[in-house]
Amino acid sequence: AQKVTQAQTEISVVEKEDVTLDCVYETRDTTYYLFWYKQPPSGELVFLIRRNSFDEQNEISGRYSWNFQKSTSSFNFTITASQVVDSAVYFCALSEAAGNTPLVFGKGTRLSVIA
Amino acid sequence: DAGVIQSPRHEVTEMGQEVTLRCKPISGHDYLFWYRQTMMRGLELLIYFNNNVPIDDSGMPEDRFSAKMPNASFSNLKIQPSEPRDSAVYFCASSLTRTGSTDTQYFGPGTRLTVL
Repeated sequence: AQKVTQAQTEISVVEKEDVTLDCVYETRDTTYYLFWYKQPPSGELVFLIRRNSFDEQNEISGRYSWNFQKSTSSFNFTITASQVVDSAVYFCALSEAAGNTPLVFGKGTRLSVIA
Repeated sequence: DAGVIQSPRHEVTEMGQEVTLRCKPISGHDYLFWYRQTMMRGLELLIYFNNNVPIDDSGMPEDRFSAKMPNASFSNLKIQPSEPRDSAVYFCASSLTRTGSTDTQYFGPGTRLTVL
């Protein structure tokens, strides 16, 4: 069975600090996809990134970066120079690669960035 | 392009009433998913469709829940009769088939349901 664990329930940082959100996953599939979504206080779920299991290159998008390590089954998310607008709940999710299968979500990490 | 549209955004009803939640997927997307978000259980799948056909409804909690997708542009989720424990945020998401890979699911704004 697939499982996603986000051990950090809540994180609070001061603006401009860097913060890393952890995500550990379990799957028996050799091919799978990993995702991160952001849920701001307004409640919607905003897609951030999709990564397949064959692509272990780290990705950077502005202040956001992702570190995928198959050896430790982790897909961590780092925000550099955090801003108040980054305050949200962040979800890591996993899906099988065979077709558009449902997402299995972690419980989420609530990030509070304090000015 | 318009994203996934859900209505209503908020619904307050009394126990025992029928509730209907609606979703319009992104045009051209052939997969549609219904998820529910609660504090206790987090985000969990209820049911999903491919080309309007239900593929997996194992997440539907009870016979009180039903979902249909009469055409490619519309799906509804019904709860009859509703109970206080059904209070949650219900999300609809859609995605597009890609050969040999999984596409991204794009979510609607959600419907916050409160059953009194």
